[in-house]
Amino acid sequence: EAGVTQFPSHSVIEKGQTVTLRCDPISGHDNLYWYRRVMGKEIKFLLHFVKESKQDESGMPNNRFLAERTGGTYSTLKVQPAELEDSGVYFCASSPGDVYGYTFGSGTRLTVV
Amino acid sequence: AQSVTQLDSHVSVSEGTPVLLRCNYSSSYSPSLFWYVQHPNKGLQLLLKYTSAATLVKGINGFEAEFKKSETSFHLTKPSAHMSDAAEYFCVVSDQDSNYQLIWGAGTKLIIKP
Repeated sequence: EAGVTQFPSHSVIEKGQTVTLRCDPISGHDNLYWYRRVMGKEIKFLLHFVKESKQDESGMPNNRFLAERTGGTYSTLKVQPAELEDSGVYFCASSPGDVYGYTFGSGTRLTVV
Repeated sequence: AQSVTQLDSHVSVSEGTPVLLRCNYSSSYSPSLFWYVQHPNKGLQLLLKYTSAATLVKGINGFEAEFKKSETSFHLTKPSAHMSDAAEYFCVVSDQDSNYQLIWGAGTKLIIKP
């Protein structure tokens, strides 16, 4: 079984640019989550999809962040325009139905300069 | 509100000696508790989870954790450290109050001395 795949693994962009992170969940997993860890802080929840619907987006920091999950398969997280404080590691996870079955991807390390 | 406190940001042990990584949590409900590990340049891997069954939970790679409700603790232990255990470890809580989001501790970096 393929795991959760995130792309790119690293991204360095300039302040003000746009970046799109992608997450491919495990096939058949309806639940998809985004978390992030900014430098020196705890890992924090961003949002939760059930299939293509946003179940909970209470963790999204501001309207510069846009997440989509077209067709209930892969998800993208766009940051536009990127700010310095957006630097960190963005993790994606998927699960078949509950919190016990999370599988995380390797993360995307985003550096905004 | 839920929270997790990992009492040590760094723990250093010699290879072959016991490992203790401390975690205290707060939760209004019966929580689910997890330990995750992140090896350098790798993703987050589930070590073990507590889901209100046995209070002593065994995980992968010889790790185990004990849920102590009276102490609100969920410390991670291993009898004998191996060099491959060097990584960052995260204690995590989840319950209905957090809408089943994972609430993470700040992480403990485990250093293994040869």
